[in-house]
Order: sequence, then structure tokens, then C-alpha cells
Amino acid sequence: QKEVEQDPGPLSVPEGAIVSLNCTYSNSAFQYFMWYRQYSRKGPELLMYTYSSGNKEDGRFTAQVDKSSKYISLFIRDSQPSDSATYLCAMMSGASYDKVIFGPGTSLSVIP
Amino acid sequence: GAVVSQHPSWVICKSGTSVKIECRSLDFQATTMFWYRQFPKQSLMLMATSNEGSKATYEQGVEKDKFLINHASLTLSTLTVTSAHPEDSSFYICSAGRGEKLFFGSGTQLSVL
Repeated sequence: QKEVEQDPGPLSVPEGAIVSLNCTYSNSAFQYFMWYRQYSRKGPELLMYTYSSGNKEDGRFTAQVDKSSKYISLFIRDSQPSDSATYLCAMMSGASYDKVIFGPGTSLSVIP
Repeated sequence: GAVVSQHPSWVICKSGTSVKIECRSLDFQATTMFWYRQFPKQSLMLMATSNEGSKATYEQGVEKDKFLINHASLTLSTLTVTSAHPEDSSFYICSAGRGEKLFFGSGTQLSVL
């Protein structure tokens, strides 16, 4: 079993839809959870950062962490064509960046 | 705005030449930076950890003589791909931690002819 699993998609939604992106993980020691957005041939851009369990909202983005289920989600409301990108989840147990584990990424297309 | 700056964004070189990629932390000091490699439609693969003032730490399977890393200051790390070959063609990305968050550079697409 991989440490972090993420459906690679591709996921295609109409503009304005609510998008749900998810990752599951196996290491119960993970405490820090991140979501990155990566456009083609660009570096990943940090979207959301969450420590431990709970929800965090920032504009159209909401990140949820359920440590009991080892499951994290990113919701995008009112999706826009500019949201079309690959979304990577990432997590680590301590603030040791060399131990960050990345999901394979989900490719999202928002159709106008 | 950008927290980590990476240059160049694109480089094409002939087989056998060396290529240097720069990674700079902006407005903060980074004693540690990280270098990744990414193949199309795949996730990030950590290559090495760049340590300011000391030797880099390489991940298993990464040739340290092929991928030279220098972290001479608290804001600059460089990755040199020596004697590049077509199989070294890839997307290279650097990152640095600031607080508890990890920020990435914009990436460098290397094409070796």
C-alpha cells in the first residue's frame, strides 16, 4: 500500500461546479497536510495548509482533514477555467521537509 | 508574491555539456533547500537536500557526481547537471521551507539534445 493515494483523474467539470479532491494515507503520524496547485510546466503553488484535524477555508477553497479516517479533501466552490491544473496533496509528520510525501496528483479540467 | 525564485525556466543544451540551475529564497534565509525531479504526469521525486555550508544529502539512486549541489549562502542553492545526456531531460524544481510551509520555485525544464 502506498503511503499516500490520490485518484489521478482526469477530472472534468463544468464551470461553476463544486469540485472535490481527495487523498488517503496510511501513516497515522502525519500531522501537517498541504494542497498544491500545479500548472503545466510550473512549480507547485501552495494553496492550503492544515495542521492536524479540522477544516480550513480560504476564499473558494476549503481543506478538510479527518485523521481518524486518514482522509483529506480539498473543495473548490464556483470552479473556474483558471482552476484547471493538477492538484497535489502532501503531508508530513514533523516539520521535516525532506520527509514530505506527495500524492501523485489529480488532473482537473474546468470546462467553460 | 513568489517566495522562492528559480532560474532559468527553460534550458536546451547539447549532450555532454553542463547546466546550472539556481534557486533563491526571497526575503528569508533558508539553511536547507530541496531539489526535485518530475517526469510528465508523475509526482515530485526528491533528489537531494541542499544544506548551507555543508555537503548535500542525496536520495538513494541519485548520482551525486552527476547532480552537483552547492548551497554557498543562506539564500542561494545551485544544481549543476554535469555532462548532461538526453536521459537527464526532465523538469527540475527546488523548494525551501518557511516556518511550517514548503514553497516551490517555478521549475526548470531541461532538454538535452
